[in-house]
Amino acid sequence: AQSVTQLDSQVPVFEEAPVELRCNYSSSVSVYLFWYVQYPNQGLQLLLKYLSGSTLVKGINGFEAEFNKSQTSFHLRKPSVHISDTAEYFCAVKDYGQNFVFGPGTRLSVLP
Amino acid sequence: NAGVTQTPKFQVLKTGQSMTLQCAQDMNHEYMSWYRQDPGMGLRLIHYSVGAGITDQGEVPNGYNVSRSTTEDFPLRLLSAAPSQTSVYFCASSWPPGQGDTGELFFGEGSRLTVL
Repeated sequence: AQSVTQLDSQVPVFEEAPVELRCNYSSSVSVYLFWYVQYPNQGLQLLLKYLSGSTLVKGINGFEAEFNKSQTSFHLRKPSVHISDTAEYFCAVKDYGQNFVFGPGTRLSVLP
Repeated sequence: NAGVTQTPKFQVLKTGQSMTLQCAQDMNHEYMSWYRQDPGMGLRLIHYSVGAGITDQGEVPNGYNVSRSTTEDFPLRLLSAAPSQTSVYFCASSWPPGQGDTGELFFGEGSRLTVL
């Protein structure tokens, strides 16, 4: 069964600094990869997704992620964060089955 | 364009009571699912359905029932609530792989359940 690891449970960063949120998954078979963001007391919103093709994926709000098949990673990055990026971020993987597997989440806190 | 709608948003139950969380989607998605979200554990799949009349168990199905009589609706039933079921519940839907859109999950806004 698939598993997803997000090594950092909390990431504090100052405003306008770069950030990387790490995600690793367990399987080396072809997968679809996703990053979701959850703002306080809200549902999850899709940030970006990797289905195939270019390994660098751009999403909403200036985020991007790079798929690395050999390292089974899909790290999320943003070159300059804003206060409004404070939220919880979830990495998820789906293989050719129907179901998604989510990581435990990383809480990003952007400090003024 | 409502997307995925969950009701109620908040509910307090006493141990042993039963209730149903409602979920409806208007995107004609075949796949629907229920997750629970607990601190530090991410989202865990409770039950899912790949179409009307078809349901299956996820990772944490005990204490929950589902049914799928229509494409649009996927209610989650708690048969006899326990404090361990205190959580935030999310309904989500998507196209199956290879059909329609890209298979991403669309989420409702969540239902916060407290069992005393």
